[in-house]
Amino acid sequence: GQQVMQIPQYQHVQEGEDFTTYCNSSTTLSNIQWYKQRPGGHPVFLIQLVKSGEVKKQKRLTFQFGEAKKNSSLHITATQTTDVGTYFCVFYTGANSKLTFGKGITLSVRP
Amino acid sequence: KAGVTQTPRYLIKTRGQQVTLSCSPISGHRSVSWYQQTPGQGLQFLFEYFSETQRNKGNFPGRFSGRQFSNSRSEMNVSTLELGDSALYLCASSLAWWGRSYEQYFGPGTRLTVT
Repeated sequence: GQQVMQIPQYQHVQEGEDFTTYCNSSTTLSNIQWYKQRPGGHPVFLIQLVKSGEVKKQKRLTFQFGEAKKNSSLHITATQTTDVGTYFCVFYTGANSKLTFGKGITLSVRP
Repeated sequence: KAGVTQTPRYLIKTRGQQVTLSCSPISGHRSVSWYQQTPGQGLQFLFEYFSETQRNKGNFPGRFSGRQFSNSRSEMNVSTLELGDSALYLCASSLAWWGRSYEQYFGPGTRLTVT
């Protein structure tokens, strides 16, 4: 079956440092979504990427879809304690396919 | 617009019992999906409903079932509970039945503990 790998699974950074996480798929994706879940909370939608090579920015967060649509990255510039949480990549492969969540990357930020 | 609501928020059951969880989607959303979240397995897809029809199903045993009503509200049922069913059960609603192009809005979840 289709596999999605999110690397790394845990990352600890000093406040102010940059942070990057990746989501890799074994097959070509039609689109990818990113969600964030704060500790004790529920996943919240961040962004959706559809086009090959697409780059979208939300303040300090930059999301990119790979040229081959098999991977995606999330980059956070100058992390803040509010960035703490687990970031999931999510994808569908087409009609009637199952929604798959990556394992998530849990980010902790040292003040 | 009110968000996705789930009831109950917390539940304690014993092995062998059954449980029913409820989810009310955002008004106008006709797609409802259910997920199980555990520390070890992460977020796993259970099933997805659209217009009272199950459109997709994850890899869970038949003890897990669900349904959707004409008002889009959904319930999931777990029969013969096992200790391993202890988890956070999340419901999410979306505009589109297959959800491919629309974000999902998650509810706060139901924390189920099986003893």
